[in-house]
Amino acid sequence: EDQVTQSPEALRLQEGESSSLNCSYTVSGLRGLFWYRQDPGKGPEFLFTLYSAGEEKEKERLKATLTKKESFLHITAPKPEDSATYLCAVADSWGKLQFGAGTQVVVTP
Amino acid sequence: GAVVSQHPSWVICKSGTSVKIECRSLDFQATTMFWYRQFPKQSLMLMATSNEGSKATYEQGVEKDKFLINHASLTLSTLTVTSAHPEDSSFYICSAAAREQYFGPGTRLTVT
Repeated sequence: EDQVTQSPEALRLQEGESSSLNCSYTVSGLRGLFWYRQDPGKGPEFLFTLYSAGEEKEKERLKATLTKKESFLHITAPKPEDSATYLCAVADSWGKLQFGAGTQVVVTP
Repeated sequence: GAVVSQHPSWVICKSGTSVKIECRSLDFQATTMFWYRQFPKQSLMLMATSNEGSKATYEQGVEKDKFLINHASLTLSTLTVTSAHPEDSSFYICSAAAREQYFGPGTRLTVT
């Protein structure tokens, strides 16, 4: 059975304090690993898709990397507006996403 | 690009009534749309996969007669919660699949 585990559950950062979020997965036949950002009361906002080990993608202060068993979302010099819940999901061969529980990030000024 | 809308954004209904939620892909066509439910402090749980022109596929434990899904066109899918009860109160989110899944803003359903 496919499983997605995110850690930590919550992360409190000072503005400018870089950190990483972890997403470990077990899936039979990875069809893509996805990172989303979700603000309270809103739908998830697409950030990145990674398809193969060694792949990296960047967007502003965020960088996502992928190995055969896990993905990391690195937040460099975060700002308060980076506060959100970050969700990781894996896709199966039908395109269905299975989400992890998320990491709630709070960045304080 | 890749904008998905949902309507309504929130709805309050009485127990026993039905509620319809619309999901539209505004700037792309989506053969497949997905419906999720999210309870407070929890992650998204897939309810069903909606394919244009065919019957929806429901995840295990989701009552197909209670959650009616119609994918009328390549840009519109609807979810109807029939005979709603307080335990159906939740945040319902749809997504439309292009290369990635793009999510709508969600619909907050409260059943009193």
